[in-house]
Order: sequence, then C-alpha cells, then structure tokens
Amino acid sequence: DGGITQSPKYLFRKEGQNVTLSCEQNLNHDAMYWYRQDPGQGLRLIYYSQIVNDFQKGDIAEGYSVSREKKESFPLTVTSAQKNPTAFYLCASKEVGGTEAFFGQGTRLTVV
Amino acid sequence: AQRVTQPEKLLSVFKGAPVELKCNYSYSGSPELFWYVQYSRQRLQLLLRHISRESIKGFTADLNKGETSFHLKKPFAQEEDSAMYYCALRAQGAQKLVFGQGTRLTINP
Repeated sequence: DGGITQSPKYLFRKEGQNVTLSCEQNLNHDAMYWYRQDPGQGLRLIYYSQIVNDFQKGDIAEGYSVSREKKESFPLTVTSAQKNPTAFYLCASKEVGGTEAFFGQGTRLTVV
Repeated sequence: AQRVTQPEKLLSVFKGAPVELKCNYSYSGSPELFWYVQYSRQRLQLLLRHISRESIKGFTADLNKGETSFHLKKPFAQEEDSAMYYCALRAQGAQKLVFGQGTRLTINP
C-alpha cells in the first residue's frame, strides 16, 4: 500500500522533553515537508527537504529540528525550546517536478 | 513573500444552494494555485489545481490575476461537501506550498 505514514497518531509528552515525530513515505518522492496545523491559522510550514541530507527552514522553524538521512524518512523533533508545541502536525511529500503534495494522517501532539 | 488569505473561517449553506469559498493571494510572479480539502477523519488531499482547469466533484476555480483571487465555486452544494478547505500557492520555481487559514464549509440539509 503506497503512501505516506505518520506515527504515532497521538502523542503525549511532559513539558521540557524533546519528542520525535515519524514520517515515512514509499512514493519515491524527493521532496518532503512538515506543517503545523492550528485552528484558525491554517497550515504553517516548519521545515522542508528537497533531497537527502539537505533541508530548509520554513516559516516557523524555531524550536524544531529535522534530519533527512534517507529518502523515505523525514523525522521531526519538537524540542523543549518550542514555546507552544501542542498542535496537529502534518507531513507531506511530493515529486520535485510534480504539482500535487500527498499528506499523511497527522500526529496530534499534546504537551502537558 | 507569498501570502494566501481565506477571509471566511466558517461558511454554512443549505443543500442545493450555490457555494463560493474565497481565496486571495499576494505574489508578484505567476503562481500555481491549488485547493486542498480535508473531509472528516480523512487526510488532506488535493481537490483541484488551476493549471488543469478541471471540475472536480462539481467544483471549479478560476484564477483571476487582476483581482489576485482563486475562488472555489459549486452551483449546487451537497451534504458530502462539508469539509475543511484550504487554498494554497506555489511560487514559480519553488518547492514549498503556502496555505491559507482554511474555511470550514458546512452544508445544512
């Protein structure tokens, strides 16, 4: 079954702890993205990567980090420096020359 | 910088009525514009893109460069159209998508 998979679906963490969200795709896409979805604010880009071992900051990168060691994987770490980490996080992938982005089901992170 | 604005957070219409979801953008070049939809308990997915000039599920959207708008329209709304709709823009040569704030559309029976 081809697609993009985010895990886990729900994640709870204590304040001050780092947490890593998983995103895996088997679509052979070069480009991958992390968005944060908040009510009334739409989707805001955190980080994106166009190729393995390379990534760029999006509009709200502070308090987040990523890695792209494999084409299929683009994990996002929410660090303790992120002031308001509780949110719904969406991962997406796209062919570099393509127009359509494919999204995962999302991970809802709650920091208590 | 590119920006996408969807002025309506919530939109409610009756079944069978026409529906229009507004989208305005700011970008000095020639943009690629998209509408994405998120039905309840489903992942965000592409609805249509302006370059295809297609009608999907009865929805159409026309790019108006003069008004910098890309409004989504459907002449007769159906209950299954209830969802969250996002307008998105990609600048020429860019890889990232810039999304609007989203509009939650509710179709009342």
